[in-house]
Amino acid sequence: DGGITQSPKYLFRKEGQNVTLSCEQNLNHDAMYWYRQDPGQGLRLIYYSQIVNDFQKGDIAEGYSVSREKKESFPLTVTSAQKNPTAFYLCASGTGTGREKLFFGSGTQLSVL
Amino acid sequence: DQQVKQNSPSLSVQEGRISILNCDYTNSMFDYFLWYKKYPAEGPTFLISISSIKDKNEDGRFTVFLNKSAKHLSLHIVPSQPGDSAVYFCAASEWTSNTGKLIFGQGTTLQVKP
Repeated sequence: DGGITQSPKYLFRKEGQNVTLSCEQNLNHDAMYWYRQDPGQGLRLIYYSQIVNDFQKGDIAEGYSVSREKKESFPLTVTSAQKNPTAFYLCASGTGTGREKLFFGSGTQLSVL
Repeated sequence: DQQVKQNSPSLSVQEGRISILNCDYTNSMFDYFLWYKKYPAEGPTFLISISSIKDKNEDGRFTVFLNKSAKHLSLHIVPSQPGDSAVYFCAASEWTSNTGKLIFGQGTTLQVKP
C-alpha cells in the first residue's frame, strides 16, 4: 500500500534534549512537508522540501531542523531551542507542483516530560 | 497574519440536515482551495477541492462553493451523518509559488447529532 508512515506515534522529550520524528513515503512524491497542530489552531508549516538535498523554512522553523538525503525520507528534529514543543506533528507529501492535494501521515504527538 | 480564516470554531447540526462550513481568505493570489477532514490523533484526509476558475464543485454529499469577489468559500454537507463529526480544515495554495505548500485555516469542529 502506498502512503506516508510517521513514527513514533507518541514521543516524550526531556528538557534540553533533541528528538527526531521520522517520516517515510512510498508515493514517489518529490515534495515533503512538516506541519504542526496546536489545540484550537490550524496546521502551521515548519519546513518543506521540494527535492532531495534541498529544503526551505516554513512559517515557524525556529527550533527545528530537517534533512532530505533520500527522496522517501524527511526526518524532523525538534531541538532544545524549541521552547514549546508540545504539539501534534504531521508530515505530508505531494508532487510539489501546486493545485493538488497533499497526503498526510497519521501524526506524532510530542509531549514534554 | 492569518491568510485563511475559519471564524466558527464549532458547529452542531442534526442528522439529516445540511452542514455549512465557512472559510475566508485574504490573499488574492490563492487559486486552489481544499477541504480536509480530521479525526483526533489522526492525519487529515482530503475531502474535496476547487480551482479558482470554478465557483462550484460537487462530490457526492459534499459541495464546495467559491465566491472569488468576496474571498469566501463554503463546504456544504447534505445530508449530514454522525460519522461526519470531525474537525474540518479549509486550505489554500498559490500556484505561482510553485511549492505545493498549503495554508490552513484554524479548523471548525462539526458535531452531527443523531
